[in-house]
Amino acid sequence: ETGVTQSPTHLIKTRGQQVTLRCSSQSGHNTVSWYQQALGQGPQFIFQYYREEENGRGNFPPRFSGLQFPNYSSELNVNALELDDSALYLCASSLGGLGETQYFGPGTRLLVL
Amino acid sequence: GENVEQHPSTLSVQEGDSAVIKCTYSDSASNYFPWYKQELGKRPQLIIDIRSNVGEKKDQRIAVTLNKTAKHFSLHITETQPEDSAVYFCAAGYGGTSYGKLTFGQGTILTVHP
Repeated sequence: ETGVTQSPTHLIKTRGQQVTLRCSSQSGHNTVSWYQQALGQGPQFIFQYYREEENGRGNFPPRFSGLQFPNYSSELNVNALELDDSALYLCASSLGGLGETQYFGPGTRLLVL
Repeated sequence: GENVEQHPSTLSVQEGDSAVIKCTYSDSASNYFPWYKQELGKRPQLIIDIRSNVGEKKDQRIAVTLNKTAKHFSLHITETQPEDSAVYFCAAGYGGTSYGKLTFGQGTILTVHP
């Protein structure tokens, strides 16, 4: 069984730039959820993709967008980066559209200067 | 939307003692409550979860209890060991539906002193 993987592990960008983060779901899982974890905080739900469709969105602006591919891997895109976007971005995969038992990837640490 | 409050924010215990972390949630529709352990620089790891049709669940030294009426749930760790030191997060979600948002608490930093 293959675990959840994410790339890159670390990223430094400047304000106004765009970034793409990638996630490969655990073998057999068809649902990917994305979370933002600021330092010292719990993860905050950004959105979820189920079978290539967005299946729920948290309180994040439209400059946060995503995609899920036929192999269930996923991308998170953030446009017009702001300093407050600096955080650990976690993806979690799960089976079915149920969203329960989510298994997290190692995260991508994004620093916006 | 759902709001999850977690207490305490820090917890310091001696090895062998028990540790209890408590969470409350606001949305009575939530029916799935996982607990994650996150070590420094690592991913959150699921350690135990409970669904609303169950009042208590135990896995070796870890147990979780759920009070649906009061809308709170707790994590109990017995016989703590130094390797239990980490940040623990509770979460609430809608398992069993097509919408899988988890709302997390703010975390508890658990330190187990040898």
